[in-house]
Order: sequence, then C-alpha cells, then structure tokens
Amino acid sequence: SYELTQPPSVSVSPGQAATITCSGDKLGEKYASWYHQKTGQSPVLVIYQDTKRPSGIPERFSGSNSGNTATLTITGTQAMDEGDYYCQTWDGSATGVFGGGTKLTVL
Amino acid sequence: QVQLVESGGGVVQPGRSLRLSCAASGYTFSSHGMHWVRQAPGKGLEWVAVVWYDGSSENYADSVKGRFTVSRDNVKNTLYLQMNSLRDEDTAVYYCARRGAGIDAFDLWGQGTLVTVSS
Repeated sequence: SYELTQPPSVSVSPGQAATITCSGDKLGEKYASWYHQKTGQSPVLVIYQDTKRPSGIPERFSGSNSGNTATLTITGTQAMDEGDYYCQTWDGSATGVFGGGTKLTVL
Repeated sequence: QVQLVESGGGVVQPGRSLRLSCAASGYTFSSHGMHWVRQAPGKGLEWVAVVWYDGSSENYADSVKGRFTVSRDNVKNTLYLQMNSLRDEDTAVYYCARRGAGIDAFDLWGQGTLVTVSS
C-alpha cells in the first residue's frame, strides 16, 4: 500500500515562514492535498491539487509537489496557524492515503 | 447551510456491532463520493472507506475490510457505516467527509462521532 511520510514536528517564530514536507514514491505524479486540524476540531482543507487554495484560506498558505515530495509553506506564520497538518493523496482512484501528520508550533 | 452531521457513536464491547450515520444537508448529496476517516485518540488521520456517488461501488482500508460496510441513501441524504466484529483498535473519532467535485480532496467534514470499544 502507498505511504506518505511527514516530519512529526516543525517549529517557527511568528512572522517567519514554516515549511512542512510530505514524501511518497513518485508523489509528484499524484495530486497532494493538505489539511489543518486544531485540537478538538475537524480537519480543514487548506491546499488541494498541489497548489490551489479553497475559498477562505489565506494567501499565506501555498503548496508545491514535485518528484517524491509535496511541500506546504506558510509565509508570515501566525499563532492561529498552530496545530496539526496532514498531507493526503490517492492510491488508485478512490482510496485515500494520509501522512502521519506534523505538529506545527509557533514559538 | 452546507454541513455533515455524524451520529451513532458510543461505547461498545469487543466483538459487537455499531452503525454510524452521517446526515448531509445544503448541497446535492448524490453528486459526491463520500468517505469515512477515523482518528484514534492522540493519533493521526486514517482513511477507512468510500462509497461512490451513486452507491454502485465501495472500497475499504485493509484494517476494516470484511468487518465494515459503507452505504448511502441518496433519498435520505445519509451516509452509513456498519461496523461489525469491533476490536479495541477501532476506538476512534469517526468523521464523514465529502470528496469535492473535481478537486480531488475532502472539502467538507463532519464534526466526528466517538466510538469506544471496551469491555
């Protein structure tokens, strides 16, 4: 089965850029999505189809995907951006796969 | 408004069964594939199952295959997850999630319902 690997944690200072990676075999040939989950809440989609932002997601969130790695970048990170971030792709047409999650701390 | 509302969670003994429901509103339910995703306490997200928009096909994670059945009623705008032969490791918050049309991602999530498998 297909696997996605994320770093367990990332720390960033307020106002700086945060980068979270997601690795998988030939991931660049698939679409990657990213979700933000705050403690006790449901996940929220922040990036889909590698680079696109849903309506209502701030422009400071951006994504890329090439080779074996998808990347979520948050520029000008704010305290409200803290929480867990999950990458996700598809194994086949309809089987979802999630990364293990990355805890983002804004120090 | 556009929303998904899960129900049916609770405490159940190992080996017993439970059925979860997910009521959709505010959009055309029958136009979207629907998924179940779970999250064990303190752990990450795990994809569980999918049912096609018209109910014609399903797929399951290996961890639940043969024990769980996903279905939908496009008249009642409701998604279901029948969980049989429950195990301790099935303890989790179960979310229903909508695959957005043409966006290859889960664009709408329910609030989740907690299933605790314990004797």
